[in-house]
Amino acid sequence: DSGVTQTPKHLITATGQRVTLRCSPRSGDLSVYWYQQSLDQGLQFLIQYYNGEERAKGNILERFSAQQFPDLHSELNLSSLELGDSALYFCASSVGLANEQFFGPGTRLTVL
Amino acid sequence: AQTVTQSQPEMSVQEAETVTLSCTYDTSESDYYLFWYKQPPSRQMILVIRQEAYKQQNATENRFSVNFQKAAKSFSLKISDSQLGDAAMYFCASFASTNKLIFGTGTLLAVQP
Repeated sequence: DSGVTQTPKHLITATGQRVTLRCSPRSGDLSVYWYQQSLDQGLQFLIQYYNGEERAKGNILERFSAQQFPDLHSELNLSSLELGDSALYFCASSVGLANEQFFGPGTRLTVL
Repeated sequence: AQTVTQSQPEMSVQEAETVTLSCTYDTSESDYYLFWYKQPPSRQMILVIRQEAYKQQNATENRFSVNFQKAAKSFSLKISDSQLGDAAMYFCASFASTNKLIFGTGTLLAVQP
């Protein structure tokens, strides 16, 4: 158990819908990262927050957004969902900006 | 730009034997970190080992060790005394000032009893 929690574990929804994935980092970790793992794209970095502020952005679609709240938990919002958004979404956390990242168990999103 | 390449899509090893997984990377940064992550069938991403680029000494964690060749930009993972529980997908990753992990495509390791 990495100490990073993610909810829900599984999510099944339809095209065009919007979903919110939630992540709670390890106690004391200020950085939260979101990654997408799909069969065709592999593991890709989406976005990073550090103590509430966005610090780095990857290939995140405009339909996707995220935020980190004062209690340091983070949410990833995915809207206007498409079949291709089906993937495993990981949250990871670290103490600072250059420390090892510990991954949550992931949220499996299926878009039908 | 950072890139990470794993040229072995699949590897197989006999239980109790040693196996080496290859990884090469490219970066223009002088300060960076390299990692190996393990992803078993449960899909959980588990940190195996970490190497700071400024350290010449190769990192070791129990049965896992790395061969870090900075000039060649090579970062291989050696698993000694392989166990059935080592069967998993292994990802090599780099981290630099861009504040993101760049992953390779992974190597699927099978352990034969």
